[in-house]
Amino acid sequence: EPEVTQTPSHQVTQMGQEVILRCVPISNHLYFYWYRQILGQKVEFLVSFYNNEISEKSEIFDDQFSVERPDGSNFTLKIRSTKLEDSAMYFCASSELVSTDTQYFGPGTRLTVL
Amino acid sequence: AQSVAQPEDQVNVAEGNPLTVKCTYSVSGNPYLFWYVQYPNRGLQFLLKYITGDNLVKGSYGFEAEFNKSQTSFHLKKPSALVSDSALYFCAVRDHLSGTYKYIFGTGTRLKVLA
Repeated sequence: EPEVTQTPSHQVTQMGQEVILRCVPISNHLYFYWYRQILGQKVEFLVSFYNNEISEKSEIFDDQFSVERPDGSNFTLKIRSTKLEDSAMYFCASSELVSTDTQYFGPGTRLTVL
Repeated sequence: AQSVAQPEDQVNVAEGNPLTVKCTYSVSGNPYLFWYVQYPNRGLQFLLKYITGDNLVKGSYGFEAEFNKSQTSFHLKKPSALVSDSALYFCAVRDHLSGTYKYIFGTGTRLKVLA
């Protein structure tokens, strides 16, 4: 069964550094998403992406964040100048359609900012 | 404001007994509702969804959920629990009428099935 994959599984970085989290969505899916889960808190929506542009973003997704689909398979989340409060599990998801379709999630990348 | 509540942080059930994991939501109109399960070091795995139609939805691994519009609930159920069902369960809702893509998640319920 096709799966969403994410790399790395764990990223440790120093405050102020830039990180790029990578995702490979399911191959025939057209919609891509990033969510995050701060330890002990809810899974929160960050951004959705379709047709090479952001279709929706939350108030969390400020200028510090950006997303990109650099080629036909990868979907990345870049966090510039990381802060301690960016430490969280970041989940990538994809869906074939958006109307009634299900979002399928990757295993997550645990980001630790020191 | 849109929200999802999972009132129980943890549910313990004996193997072979029926299980229920509760979810209530606060979204206007007819939302789309989902259940996901998370095993250790794994992502969120889709279990089932309610879009429209029959209020009782059947999903993976013998799970089912009942949509109750009057009580704004979408409780997850299984007739006979297995030890392997022990995991973290998340309820999610999408307010499709507003045009949003995002899912709103509950805080999760840890299910522990005791042998």
